[in-house]
Amino acid sequence: LAKTTQPISMDSYEGQEVNITCSHNNIATNDYITWYQQFPSQGPRFIIQGYKTKVTNEVASLFIPADRKSSTLSLPRVSLSDTAVYYCLVVHGSGNTGKLIFGQGTTLQVKP
Amino acid sequence: DTGVSQDPRHKITKRGQNVTFRCDPISEHNRLYWYRQTLGQGPEFLTYFQNEAQLEKSRLLSDRFSAERPKGSFSTLEIQRTEQGDSAMYLCASSPTERGNGNTIYFGEGSWLTVV
Repeated sequence: LAKTTQPISMDSYEGQEVNITCSHNNIATNDYITWYQQFPSQGPRFIIQGYKTKVTNEVASLFIPADRKSSTLSLPRVSLSDTAVYYCLVVHGSGNTGKLIFGQGTTLQVKP
Repeated sequence: DTGVSQDPRHKITKRGQNVTFRCDPISEHNRLYWYRQTLGQGPEFLTYFQNEAQLEKSRLLSDRFSAERPKGSFSTLEIQRTEQGDSAMYLCASSPTERGNGNTIYFGEGSWLTVV
C-alpha cells in the first residue's frame, strides 16, 4: 500500500475553508484515496473517497490532480465541531481485503 | 440502522488479568476487523475476518491475543495476562464484501482498556 504524508497539525478559525494536502507518490493504478475523520474517544468515520479529479459530498470535497500523487481534502466553512484528526489513506481497488493503514493524521484545531 | 457496536466501552484491569471485548458488526457485513489505537497515533491493524474465517493477523497480535468470530456475526477479542503496554483503545470495524471501488469501512466507538 502506498505510503501517505500529511501535515501533523493545522489551525483554522470558524467560517474559514480548510485544505489539507496529502502526498502519496507511490500510488498504484487501482488505488483509491480515502479520508477518515476521528473525534476524541470515537472511532474513525469515513468522509470521502476518490480516484481522480474532484469528488464532492455533503461534508467535503476531494481534489486529485491528474498524476494522482497528491490529494487535497477541502472542508468549507469549518466550525468548532470540525476539530478532529483527519487521516488520508490509500486503499486498493478490486481484490483488496479492506485493511487500512493509518498514519498519524492531521490534527485540525478550529478556533472561535 | 445500527452501527458497529462494541462492549464494554471502558475496562480497567489489573496486570496479569484476562479481558475480553465483544464486537457486533453492522448486519450483513461479512468482513470484520480489529484495530488498536494508542494516544497520538493512528489505528493499527490487528486482524481481519471474512465471515468466520480469520484471514489475516498482524505481527502486533502476540500469542496473548486471540480473536474469534464463531458464527460469522459477532466477534470477541481476548487478551490474556494483560500487560501495561496493552493499554489502548481497541476498535472494531466492519465492511461488506468489496465492490471493486475500495471498501468503506465502518468503525465502532472503541473499547478503552487501562491496565494498572
